[in-house]
Amino acid sequence: AQKITQTQPGMFVQEKEAVTLDCTYDTSDPSYGLFWYKQPSSGEMIFLIYQGSYDQQNATEGRYSLNFQKARKSANLVISASQLGDSAMYFCAMREGKRLGTSYGKLTFGQGTILTVHP
Amino acid sequence: SAVISQKPSRDICQRGTSLTIQCQVDSQVTMMFWYRQQPGQSLTLIATANQGSEATYESGFVIDKFPISRPNLTFSTLTVSNMSPEDSSIYLCSVLLGPNSPLHFGNGTRLTVT
Repeated sequence: AQKITQTQPGMFVQEKEAVTLDCTYDTSDPSYGLFWYKQPSSGEMIFLIYQGSYDQQNATEGRYSLNFQKARKSANLVISASQLGDSAMYFCAMREGKRLGTSYGKLTFGQGTILTVHP
Repeated sequence: SAVISQKPSRDICQRGTSLTIQCQVDSQVTMMFWYRQQPGQSLTLIATANQGSEATYESGFVIDKFPISRPNLTFSTLTVSNMSPEDSSIYLCSVLLGPNSPLHFGNGTRLTVT
């Protein structure tokens, strides 16, 4: 079974509008972390936002916020006031477990959503 | 955050040859990792680069194909050996700066094997 599912292969949004990118996850581990990364066409991976499984409040970082619904196992990324520079591939990823070890660098990534911002 | 520099940024190689990718971090980090992103695909962890010991490989990846070095806390290399067109991918170095930090990635190496 897929551990991270991003059901939207592509999304389009008008500049200055908000957009939500969907992510659902599957884990039986009570301790986990959820991440969103942006990958422009240049190929680099840019960290955007993080949500821990025990965090009480939804994470926010500037124009990025994470709509975390634990019971539904969803962690949707909301981008407010979209900009042309937001056009990129967006990946949702999960880290399971809390113990620091060699597995701590293992993130499971979803298939990504290509976001296109129209002027 | 840290500045993570990867070289080369891209390369075109012939099948049967090998390419070594370098990853340099501007601060000492305990944990470094190598990921692969095949065309149109998501990222997959190749291995954890351990300083002073052999790398720890994920299922499906072997040392003979992807030898890794980690001579100190700021540097690592990944070699893609005996390349075939199926090795055409983006290879990304990443580091963990602390127990609760996200992975930070280098700019990636875009490899094309002809």
